[in-house]
Amino acid sequence: ETGVTQSPTHLIKTRGQQVTLRCSSQSGHNTVSWYQQALGQGPQFIFQYYREEENGRGNFPPRFSGLQFPNYSSELNVNALELDDSALYLCASTSGGSSYEQYFGPGTRLTVT
Amino acid sequence: AQSVAQPEDQVNVAEGNPLTVKCTYSVSGNPYLFWYVQYPNRGLQFLLKYITGDNLVKGSYGFEAEFNKSQTSFHLKKPSALVSDSALYFCAVGGFSGGYNKLIFGAGTRLAVHP
Repeated sequence: ETGVTQSPTHLIKTRGQQVTLRCSSQSGHNTVSWYQQALGQGPQFIFQYYREEENGRGNFPPRFSGLQFPNYSSELNVNALELDDSALYLCASTSGGSSYEQYFGPGTRLTVT
Repeated sequence: AQSVAQPEDQVNVAEGNPLTVKCTYSVSGNPYLFWYVQYPNRGLQFLLKYITGDNLVKGSYGFEAEFNKSQTSFHLKKPSALVSDSALYFCAVGGFSGGYNKLIFGAGTRLAVHP
């Protein structure tokens, strides 16, 4: 098991609502990335935070936003939920400045009805 | 566009036989290559990586992978499969030009090891 934790484990929301997912990075890691894994697909990069600043973004609309806190934990916020947002959301941490292995948390399963 | 291909949706192997899970990539520059494994209702677990050096890299649980630059491939291998190896395997690339620290994943290959 990695030292990356995510909460909640599961979440059910209604279309149009807003959701916040949380991630605590592994000790010593200052970079957090978020990925969306739809059913039957590989994870897709949403964005990355490095020292509290967004450090890159994938092909996701602005209603996907994030924060990173001074302790390097992070939040993913999704506004105006759509049915297609139903997925497993994975958080990964790594030490900054390189592209070595990222350590993933167990994920949050979001269901939008 | 950067991409990773895992051409097999599923690989079936008898326990004790060697296994290979295929991966090819198309990215600019000299990427870093990774294999991750995912068990049901779990996050991704890191297996191994290639950054530079020897083309054959060894990782966790007896897995190894061979980097082939000319074929842009990074196939995952194990000499003797176990039933407990049954899981979903993902190939990923990172460190490519303009990619900062993000990973691009393949669609995954389900490995089924039969007793």
